[in-house]
Amino acid sequence: GESVGLHLPTLSVQEGDNSIINCAYSNSASDYFIWYKQESGKGPQFIIDIRSNMDKRQGQRVTVLLNKTVKHLSLQIAATQPGDSAVYFCAFTGGTSYGKLTFGQGTILTVHP
Amino acid sequence: NAGVTQTPKFRILKIGQSMTLQCTQDMNHNYMYWYRQDPGMGLKLIYYSVGAGITDKGEVPNGYNVSRSTTEDFPLRLELAAPSQTSVYFCASSSPGRTNYGYTFGSGTRLTVV
Repeated sequence: GESVGLHLPTLSVQEGDNSIINCAYSNSASDYFIWYKQESGKGPQFIIDIRSNMDKRQGQRVTVLLNKTVKHLSLQIAATQPGDSAVYFCAFTGGTSYGKLTFGQGTILTVHP
Repeated sequence: NAGVTQTPKFRILKIGQSMTLQCTQDMNHNYMYWYRQDPGMGLKLIYYSVGAGITDKGEVPNGYNVSRSTTEDFPLRLELAAPSQTSVYFCASSSPGRTNYGYTFGSGTRLTVV
């Protein structure tokens, strides 16, 4: 996994709003993408994944969008709740590093009641 | 099915002391990983293993050692602890190709070196 030595970006939203968290990747060979949620004091937990043959996948209140042309991935959370407050990481694999994930920087989401 | 179990959950070390962070998984995953996460930062890969007897360095291996004698266990050894090793350490496992490529993470070990 790779990460940069910078503090994580933050996103603050009001309860009930929709949240969009973005992630960029650089390896055009990446073909499998995952979003993780890390609550305070816990390990990252799998949220949703998407393969490169898709550009959209929906789960419960979450949607992942993949734009391979610009190498961009986003996680949309509908009707954000205080329990959604966490750090969100994207991760991806593909090409010669298949099986080993590369992690994005992470975004801190804070939901205000 | 416990998933990935890490012990201890918390530890305070004095500078120069050594310790082993334990990690075990019961999912028969062949890949295992150690990450560190400093406050407000992302995950940095320390070491990983693609199977018993095989280990490889990640991006921040200095000051650490690992071994993988069994599929289940992947301990991380800190020799001569330094304040820069104060961090939260996460162990993870995966089985690429079996179902998906996602990792299962443990709950972490919070280490403070004073």
